[in-house]
Amino acid sequence: EAGVTQFPSHSVIEKGQTVTLRCDPISGHDNLYWYRRVMGKEIKFLLHFVKESKQDESGMPNNRFLAERTGGTYSTLKVQPAELEDSGVYFCASSQGVHEKLFFGSGTQLSVL
Amino acid sequence: QQQVKQSPQSLIVQKGGIPIINCAYENTAFDYFPWYQQFPGKGPALLIAIRPDVSEKKEGRFTISFNKSAKQFSLHIMDSQPGDSATYFCAAERKNNNDMRFGAGTRLTVKP
Repeated sequence: EAGVTQFPSHSVIEKGQTVTLRCDPISGHDNLYWYRRVMGKEIKFLLHFVKESKQDESGMPNNRFLAERTGGTYSTLKVQPAELEDSGVYFCASSQGVHEKLFFGSGTQLSVL
Repeated sequence: QQQVKQSPQSLIVQKGGIPIINCAYENTAFDYFPWYQQFPGKGPALLIAIRPDVSEKKEGRFTISFNKSAKQFSLHIMDSQPGDSATYFCAAERKNNNDMRFGAGTRLTVKP
């Protein structure tokens, strides 16, 4: 069974540019999450999808971040325009239901210069 | 506001030692407390988890101790091995709410 896959694994962009991160959850997992870890700090919740609907987006930093989940399958997280403080590792995770095992992807290391 | 506080930030032990990582939380609504293990270049992976109705859970060499009144929980690794070297994250999740709050992580190094 394929795990959670994220693309790209690394992205280096300049301030003001746009970047789109992609996450493919495990097939059949309705719940999809985005998290971010800024260097040395906690893994911070960004948002949660149940199928194609945003269940909770309370962790999204500001309106420069836009997440979508097309047809309840893969998800994208777009940052536009990127700022220096957006640098970090962006993780995607999926699960079947509440309190069920959370499976993480390997993350996208985003560096904004 | 950090909802789960984890310490220490880093930890070095000799092979065979028993590293202990501590976490504390404030929100009494949390009812599920997992630990995740992350190796370099990989995503965090669930290691062991506990619910607040028990004070201890053991799986192999990994044990969670839970103190509900103190709102603290800790991870103990018995007979640690160099292969246990990784970053460990504690986390907490609320009842009927499917998002997880993580600690800042502990980078564990087990020396041969």
